[in-house]
Amino acid sequence: SQQGEEDPQALSIQEGENATMNCSYKTSINNLQWYRQNSGRGLVHLILIRSNEREKHSGRLRVTLDTSKKSSSLLITASRAADTASYFCATGTMDSGGGADGLTFGKGTHLIIQP
Amino acid sequence: DTGVSQNPRHKITKRGQNVTFRCDPISEHNRLYWYRQTLGQGPEFLTYFQNEAQLEKSRLLSDRFSAERPKGSFSTLEIQRTEQGDSAMYLCASSLFSPRSGDTQYFGPGTRLTVL
Repeated sequence: SQQGEEDPQALSIQEGENATMNCSYKTSINNLQWYRQNSGRGLVHLILIRSNEREKHSGRLRVTLDTSKKSSSLLITASRAADTASYFCATGTMDSGGGADGLTFGKGTHLIIQP
Repeated sequence: DTGVSQNPRHKITKRGQNVTFRCDPISEHNRLYWYRQTLGQGPEFLTYFQNEAQLEKSRLLSDRFSAERPKGSFSTLEIQRTEQGDSAMYLCASSLFSPRSGDTQYFGPGTRLTVL
């Protein structure tokens, strides 16, 4: 079953604008990760935020996490045509060894940047 | 760092045949994961290994599926008696587990399976 639900399912914006994607999940988590996937390709890890963190930045990416609302957002600033891809959130729980077990992905947001 | 590699990249087979996929993780990574992704969906977890030990299997992994990681390095995923519903992208990921690392998983390019 898929825990994460990304919103919106599809987003089309003009190059240079900011893109915001949201993710909601259902159970307690250890961490939440965002991935990018270009059509027919593998997933590229973007950023990981732990359950005790509220905000994290990486270049043009900003991720927030609200564990009380079980939600996260991914903001891409100053979007570029190359940002066109599907974006997935994935939640991780801790296994008995203290590491992450299998990630649970949402269905993704398909982002299109219009040049 | 050559990244995670998977072979073959594409596989077309007839229903009822067996197929085997290979994944080579990033060399120092001790954890290896298998996922399946169908069109329009996010990846779904199948199983994972820490070194050579298989620690968890999803209920998605039917008896026709078996995975091995015999020496704690590369892994194989075999599907016996393939069905059309097995058509999907099979993704492999690896991570370096430590209490401090956060266990970021790095994905390979995937093997696309088409069952006719």
